[in-house]
Amino acid sequence: EAQLVESGGGLVQPGGSLRLSCAASGVRFSNSWMSWVRQTPGEGLEWLGNIRPDGGATYYVDSVKGRFTISRNNANNSLYLQLNSLRVDDTAVYYCARDFGFGWDYWGQGALVTVYS
Amino acid sequence: QSALTQPPSASGSPGQSVTISCAGTSSDVGAYNYVSWHQQHPGKAPKLMIYEVSKRPSGVPDRFSGSKSGNTASLTVSGLQPEDEADYYCSSYAVGNTFVFGTGTKVTVL
Repeated sequence: EAQLVESGGGLVQPGGSLRLSCAASGVRFSNSWMSWVRQTPGEGLEWLGNIRPDGGATYYVDSVKGRFTISRNNANNSLYLQLNSLRVDDTAVYYCARDFGFGWDYWGQGALVTVYS
Repeated sequence: QSALTQPPSASGSPGQSVTISCAGTSSDVGAYNYVSWHQQHPGKAPKLMIYEVSKRPSGVPDRFSGSKSGNTASLTVSGLQPEDEADYYCSSYAVGNTFVFGTGTKVTVL
């Protein structure tokens, strides 16, 4: 059974940093493009970016370029999202998800990040 | 990178059909056959229902179907069942190696 489990969410002040992790099991992680998607409270979904299977390329939505960084460690089936210069409007549930057919077939349960002033 | 436009809500009685539209531009929906649809129940992670416009992942009932014409994609749910009540989001691959989601549609089974 495929499973993605996020960790590292929490409370942070504006301008602060946080690192989210996503542990994968039951999927061919090292062969998979992986994405981060967030959902603001009561709102819709926003794709943040993804990373190539070998980690050699990353792509981001304009709103997080230069602030968020996606990385991975295939040796331990882990995906990461480094969030810097956080703003109040970055408050959201952050999901890791596996890319499939230009959609996402496996999702984590989500990690809540709250940026408060 | 503006969100794709979906109607806020749609509804139908059990057994009926409901169709949700997803309007984009020539830089996303119109440019690629890479539209997907996700279902999300309250408090749960999204679930992939349709990918590449009209393909269904294993395990998704054939009551769910997708199509596209020009810059607009559509999801049709036939034979509505109570468990189909959920939020539905379209998404599309877009110019610049990015993805954009729709605004979401709440489907109510009357």
